Amino acid sequence: KNQVEQSPQSLIILEGKNCTLQCNYTVSPFSNLRWYKQDTGRGPVSLTIMTFSENTKSNGRYTATLDADTKQSSLHITASQLSDSASYICVVGGVDHGSSNTGKLIFGQGTTLQVKP
Amino acid sequence: DTGVSQDPRHKITKRGQNVTFRCDPISEHNRLYWYRQTLGQGPEFLTYFQNEAQLEKSRLLSDRFSAERPKGSFSTLEIQRTEQGDSAMYLCASSFPGLAEYNEQFFGPGTRLTVL
Repeated sequence: KNQVEQSPQSLIILEGKNCTLQCNYTVSPFSNLRWYKQDTGRGPVSLTIMTFSENTKSNGRYTATLDADTKQSSLHITASQLSDSASYICVVGGVDHGSSNTGKLIFGQGTTLQVKP
Repeated sequence: DTGVSQDPRHKITKRGQNVTFRCDPISEHNRLYWYRQTLGQGPEFLTYFQNEAQLEKSRLLSDRFSAERPKGSFSTLEIQRTEQGDSAMYLCASSFPGLAEYNEQFFGPGTRLTVL
């Protein structure tokens, strides 16, 4: 069964500190891995997307890494801000062959991050 | 605002009532997805359209659920005879894979359903 597991389930850090969120997946065949940020009561917003040939991608203070051999990814947040408080969801996309594959995404359960002043 | 929009944002209903949600995708996007998200969990795939054709439905989509996209633009998701277990956030996403290396989906703000 295709699965995406995230850890930790929740995390509390002080403003200005760094943190790293983890994601392990068993989805196969694998096409891409995404990290989304979801504020409470809102839809997810894409932070990074990586294909199997990429092993790191940055978006401002967010840096995602991917090890396709071990099927692990991490999201590193640098110099956290109060606005970083949200759920961070790891999402794996299967291979998309047009109409023969929906391109549907398999979501992890998310890591809830709380940044305190 | 040219993003994905959903209406209503919140819906409270009594058990047994029917509800209908609407999703307006980004205008040039030909794919439209519906997801359900319960508290503390990631979204789960429900169904997907390419233009007006509904190409896949999850086993999560029971007979009480029906989705349409009649003109290949907006979509509706109807739940008949609602149950308390239907309480969740219903998310819509759209995409235009084209020649892109990956199929990036853009999500709407969601409709929060509470069944009393």
